[in-house]
Amino acid sequence: GAVVSQHPSWVICKSGTSVKIECRSLDFQATTMFWYRQFPKQSLMLMATSNEGSKATYEQGVEKDKFLINHASLTLSTLTVTSAHPEDSSFYICSARPSAGRTEAFFGQGTRLTVV
Amino acid sequence: ILNVEQSPQSLHVQEGDSTNFTCSFPSSNFYALHWYRWETAKSPEALFVMTLNGDEKKKGRISATLNTKEGYSYLYIKGSQPEDSATYLCASGVNDMRFGAGTRLTVKP
Repeated sequence: GAVVSQHPSWVICKSGTSVKIECRSLDFQATTMFWYRQFPKQSLMLMATSNEGSKATYEQGVEKDKFLINHASLTLSTLTVTSAHPEDSSFYICSARPSAGRTEAFFGQGTRLTVV
Repeated sequence: ILNVEQSPQSLHVQEGDSTNFTCSFPSSNFYALHWYRWETAKSPEALFVMTLNGDEKKKGRISATLNTKEGYSYLYIKGSQPEDSATYLCASGVNDMRFGAGTRLTVKP
């Protein structure tokens, strides 16, 4: 149980285009989902927290207009990188928490984004 | 300590060796400490969630201890096997989990 599926696992896009990454909890409902970004040899950095049916909470320094997060259902959150630039190239990974009061979070496989 | 820090950054051991690594975290406003095992091209796998000072958890050959007063946790692997090769991540918190950079373990046959 507790499987999180993230899609796509890798994507290459042109500068100026937008890319959508999906994060789905397959066998549980996730009231809260988290989006992280990882640069080479660095730790996972929390970008934003999304709660189903409400606006995402972004970490300081993360542009909410650039990284659009939608958590429309209890099993799906999406991250859209808008007007992508080469500096947005990175590894993005989501995690999902089964319900309020639980401390565990389960991760997707991650998405390697390359903007050319 | 302001951030979550892990040491060593990487570790190479022989099959059968026992090993351990450290996670240091801010001891103030502590809520939970998580350990994950992350193999290349896979999802990080949750190993332990620890909340109580002095807590000790075990899963097969892997165990972890927690000291919330001084802000550290140890992860131990007994009799390392090649399949234990992975990056081991720790994170502090719940809603705003702060991760260390990980310890990359390589177990040579």
